[in-house]
Parts: sequence; structure tokens; C-alpha cells
Amino acid sequence: DGGITQSPKYLFRKEGQNVTLSCEQNLNHDAMYWYRQDPGQGLRLIYYSQIVNDFQKGDIAEGYSVSREKKESFPLTVTSAQKNPTAFYLCASAVLAKNIQYFGAGTRLSVL
Amino acid sequence: SQQGEEDPQALSIQEGENATMNCSYKTSINNLQWYRQNSGRGLVHLILIRSNEREKHSGRLRVTLDTSKKSSSLLITASRAADTASYFCATDNGGFQKLVFGTGTRLLVSP
Repeated sequence: DGGITQSPKYLFRKEGQNVTLSCEQNLNHDAMYWYRQDPGQGLRLIYYSQIVNDFQKGDIAEGYSVSREKKESFPLTVTSAQKNPTAFYLCASAVLAKNIQYFGAGTRLSVL
Repeated sequence: SQQGEEDPQALSIQEGENATMNCSYKTSINNLQWYRQNSGRGLVHLILIRSNEREKHSGRLRVTLDTSKKSSSLLITASRAADTASYFCATDNGGFQKLVFGTGTRLLVSP
């Protein structure tokens, strides 16, 4: 089945710890995105990538880092610098020049 | 830069009724999309309307776009309990390949 897989579904972070959220797609999409969603809110863009080995900051990149070493994979690291990481994180992908985004099922991150 | 604002924030209706939700945005766009999110899940694309289109249909969905008022509406006809979800508009003015999402409308359809 083609699609976007996010793992884990639930993640807990201890204070001072970095955690990495996985996002893998087999849709052969060039563009990938990470969003943060807080309760009752819309989506805010953290980082996005249009090509392997290149990525750009979104609106709320502080405290986060990403890599894009393979077309299929776009992991997000929530660093200890992110003081309020509790949120629902969504990964998406899209075909370049087509604006429709396809989303994973999300990772819910909580702080212990 | 969250620019889409949706109205109402929450909507509660009975099965069989129509549901209308509205989206307003601030700058010029090439297209506007609507997405649906079931509780605790990812978003699913519903429909895209281009700036030169005024109305578009897809099954029980009807979307209108008024670029002069910078607004769009999503109408779901003959609602079903399975339509219960949050609905978001998204515009493409965030830059190449970027979308800016609205704050969403939570729709509850009661049997």
C-alpha cells in the first residue's frame, strides 16, 4: 500500500532529552513537510523539504531539526531547546508543482 | 503565519441536515483546498478550487470561492454521522509548495 508512515504513534520525552519522530513515504513524492498541531488549533509548519539534502525552516522551526538524506525519509528531532514540545506532530508529502498534501497518521508527543 | 480563519469554530447538526462552514483569508491565492481530520488522525484532502473558479462539486461536497471577498465556503449536504470531523481550509499563498492552514471547524453530526 502506498502512503506515509509515521512512528511511533505515541512518544514521551524526558526533560533535557532529544527525541526523533520518523516519517517515511513510498509515494515517490519530492516534497515533505512537518507540522505541529496543538489542541483545537490548526497546523503550523515546522520544516519542509523539496529535494534530498535540502530543507527550509517553516514558521516555528526553533527547537527542532530535520534531515533529508533519502527521498523517502524526513525525520524530525525535537531537541531539548524546545521547551513546550507537547503536541500532535503531522508529516505530509506532495508532488512538486501539485499542491495537494498527503498526511501520515501523526505522532502524539508528551513530556514526562 | 496562520492566515485562514474558519467560521464557525464548532457546528452541531442532525443527520440529514446540511452543514456549511466558511473560510476567510488575507492575501491573493492561486488555489484553496479543504481537508478533513478525524479525531487523532492525519488530514485527508477533500477538494481543491482554483482562483479562477467560483464553484466546485464533489459528491455531497460543494465549495464556493469569492476572491473579491477573500472567502470560501464548504457545504456538506445530507450529513451523516460519519461526517463528524474537523474541517480545515488551506491556501497556497505561503510560498511555493507551502500551504497555510486555517484554524478549523469542528463538525458534530448526531444520529
